[in-house]
Amino acid sequence: DGGITQSPKYLFRKEGQNVTLSCEQNLNHDAMYWYRQDPGQGLRLIYYSQIVNDFQKGDIAEGYSVSREKKESFPLTVTSAQKNPTAFYLCASRRTSGSYNEQFFGPGTRLTVL
Amino acid sequence: QKEVEQNSGPLSVPEGAIASLNCTYSDRGSQSFFWYRQYSGKSPELIMSIYSNGDKEDGRFTAQLNKASQYVSLLIRDSQPSDSATYLCAVNPGRDAGGTSYGKLTFGQGTILTVHP
Repeated sequence: DGGITQSPKYLFRKEGQNVTLSCEQNLNHDAMYWYRQDPGQGLRLIYYSQIVNDFQKGDIAEGYSVSREKKESFPLTVTSAQKNPTAFYLCASRRTSGSYNEQFFGPGTRLTVL
Repeated sequence: QKEVEQNSGPLSVPEGAIASLNCTYSDRGSQSFFWYRQYSGKSPELIMSIYSNGDKEDGRFTAQLNKASQYVSLLIRDSQPSDSATYLCAVNPGRDAGGTSYGKLTFGQGTILTVHP
């Protein structure tokens, strides 16, 4: 089965801790994205990567960091500098060949700060 | 000013009716447009994409795009209770000042649709 997996499904963080959210895809997609969703709101872009070893900040990158060492993996670290990290985090990927921009999402990680 | 706006909802329609969801966008250079369905507690699922003016039909779903009016809509015919979800409109703003397309999407805030039996 091809798809995008995210782990863990639920994550609880104490104040001052860094946590890392995993995102893996076996769709052979080049581009990967991280979004944040707050209750009753749309998605906001945190970081994105078009190719291995390259990534760019999205609209709300402060307090987050990423790496892209492998095509299949794009982990997101939520640092202690992120003031309000409780949210639903969604990873997506996209095929970059051709003219289509369809993004497909993983199941998400729900992060709660205690 | 929001870049992508959706009709605020919530929208309630009876089973079998047509549900109409609307979206406007501010970037006139936008190239591609998407509708996602999101059930409560789940991640968004792509249900329609549209790239050129006019209508695109897929089963009970029809997407309509009017770039001159910067307007995209989704019609759901013969609505079913299983269609009850939040519908997200997403827009790809096209190429940046350097001419690069990163495939980034800007999302509207979503419209909650309830289909009642």
